[in-house]
Amino acid sequence: DTAVSQTPKYLVTQMGNDKSIKCEQNLGHDTMYWYKQDSKKFLKIMFSYNNKELIINETVPNRFSPKSPDKAHLNLHINSLELGDSAVYFCASSQNGWGYNEQFFGPGTRLTVL
Amino acid sequence: AQSVTQLGSHVSVSEGALVLLRCNYSSSVPPYLFWYVQYPNQGLQLLLKYTSAATLVKGINGFEAEFKKSETSFHLTKPSAHMSDAAEYFCAVSDNAGNMLTFGGGTRLMVKP
Repeated sequence: DTAVSQTPKYLVTQMGNDKSIKCEQNLGHDTMYWYKQDSKKFLKIMFSYNNKELIINETVPNRFSPKSPDKAHLNLHINSLELGDSAVYFCASSQNGWGYNEQFFGPGTRLTVL
Repeated sequence: AQSVTQLGSHVSVSEGALVLLRCNYSSSVPPYLFWYVQYPNQGLQLLLKYTSAATLVKGINGFEAEFKKSETSFHLTKPSAHMSDAAEYFCAVSDNAGNMLTFGGGTRLMVKP
């Protein structure tokens, strides 16, 4: 049973399109995250949600809109895709409220914008 | 603000040799520190974490790390490298509320036969 799953694994699309990435965790965790890994492998937090409430939004363009329909899901919708959005996007989850809790990562979604 | 610096974006060792991957952190509060490993085309997997209990932390696959407050370091070591250790390694620091991880730039470990 996969703990944190993401779909799709690969996404190739044209500039200007709108796309979504879905994330689900079956660990019963309260907190979920989106991270972006660029071509140099640098990882940066984009959003974090706790109990469906947005906690962190790290100066991400408002073309990116996370949506958490319930605690187990955190989807990422991207409008008007740009070349610079090409990256690997990771979803993660952890138990609520404490920095010592491990984050569990999904397998990633490789987004390529042409 | 918290930050993490990993010295050496690429480290190459021979199979059976000591692995040492360096990590220095900056944090205004006692840190929670993590090492994650990323194999090609995969997500991140936790190797070990420091949560202010023991300063020497043992993790999976024979890795360990030592927290040194005076040096603001959390270097990762393994006594004997194996070919299967070849991967990207990330050091990270967490804020107290668990709202985010701040990652270092990563170190690619290459293991020569």
